[in-house]
Amino acid sequence: KNEVEQSPQNLTAQEGEFITINCSYSVGISALHWLQQHPGGGIVSLFMLSSGKKKHGRLIATINIQEKHSSLHITASHPRDSAVYICAAPDSGGSNYKLTFGKGTLLTVNP
Amino acid sequence: EPEVTQTPSHQVTQMGQEVILRCVPISNHLYFYWYRQILGQKVEFLVSFYNNEISEKSEIFDDQFSVERPDGSNFTLKIRSTKLEDSAMYFCANSVPSGTQYFGPGTRLLVL
Repeated sequence: KNEVEQSPQNLTAQEGEFITINCSYSVGISALHWLQQHPGGGIVSLFMLSSGKKKHGRLIATINIQEKHSSLHITASHPRDSAVYICAAPDSGGSNYKLTFGKGTLLTVNP
Repeated sequence: EPEVTQTPSHQVTQMGQEVILRCVPISNHLYFYWYRQILGQKVEFLVSFYNNEISEKSEIFDDQFSVERPDGSNFTLKIRSTKLEDSAMYFCANSVPSGTQYFGPGTRLLVL
């Protein structure tokens, strides 16, 4: 079973700041997921990445498969980015295995 | 863009009652999952479904729970004899062969 750890648990930033959230996992995987959960509870998939870096708007996700570590960056943060960010890893090498989730990072961006 | 939908969005039930949570997956997605999230805790895997069969289930998914596909497309998660500790947000998710998972909006279950 994969163990997924995230840091920090809570993060408060001022609008415009550069944000980094870290994730480490214990079992080698084919891809890691970054998810966003809004206060209403819904979960949205942000990225699934297996190597290198992916970028979507102001969000950038990187992964180092050898070190079993991934980071999610938010550039020019905005109050609407306030949410819980969750990393999740499949329990085995296959990409369609069930996910094990981190505890999430609660991000609050103040105007 | 196709979406996963879930009903109801909220459900309040008395302890000991049975509840049925429903999920309409994105068509042509082959892998299905049910997850739950107890308030303030991380999301946990319950059960996965592939090719019309349960492919894996967690320790949580005991005889109290069952998953069905009553009409060949929709999914249901049935919780029999609900307990207070079953109060949680229940999510269904689909994934495509590449592995990206699409989550439904969740059903918030409150057991009184």
